[in-house]
Amino acid sequence: QITLKESGPTLVKPTQTLTLTCTFSGFSLSTSGVGVGWIRQPPGKALEWLALIYWNDDKRYSPSLKSRLTITKDTSENQVVLTMTNMDPVDTGTYYCAHSIVAVARDYYYFYYMDVWGNGTTVTVSS
Amino acid sequence: QSALTQPASVSGSPGQSITISCTGTSSDIGNYNVVSWYQQHPGKAPKLMIFEVSKRPSGVSTRFSGSKSGNTASLTISGLQAEDEAHYYCCSYAGSSTFVVFGGGTQLTVL
Repeated sequence: QITLKESGPTLVKPTQTLTLTCTFSGFSLSTSGVGVGWIRQPPGKALEWLALIYWNDDKRYSPSLKSRLTITKDTSENQVVLTMTNMDPVDTGTYYCAHSIVAVARDYYYFYYMDVWGNGTTVTVSS
Repeated sequence: QSALTQPASVSGSPGQSITISCTGTSSDIGNYNVVSWYQQHPGKAPKLMIFEVSKRPSGVSTRFSGSKSGNTASLTISGLQAEDEAHYYCCSYAGSSTFVVFGGGTQLTVL
């Protein structure tokens, strides 16, 4: 059974850096075809994809947030970490991590879907 | 503004069928058969309902089906039940630059 759980601060100040951890079980992030992604949702608004890390440690980011995001993995600890710099009140929302089905073919990277999600962690940006 | 366009709301009576559309472009939905749909109840995490346009994960009711024509994907729910009332989001791979895009979400109300 695959499970994921997000953890991190509930409150950060503007301009600070947010660090979120996704701790998972039931799969290995060294298995071909597997990735872990981060998605966020401002209160009352739509889902927004942020970043994805592949089993081979390759990474993809939302173009609009790429300069602020870093995604890393610790395969031995079954964790994926997302950092977001220069936080702003508009970054307030619920942040989810999700087990993702991905593929690589001839150096071309694909995303298929997110089949298991964590429960999310709420982050408020306020001074 | 979301990259994929969904109607803000749809409604139907119990037992009826409804369809939610998701319109993209030739750079996302029109070019890849990897549209997925997610159901989200208030205060809950999204749940995968459809993947790769029309496939259902194990455990998802056969009342849920997906399709695609050109740049538009659709989610159809037949035999509406009260428990189907939720937000629904479409999602697609969008190529090496944009990568992953979501729709703006559709609120389904069961009358």
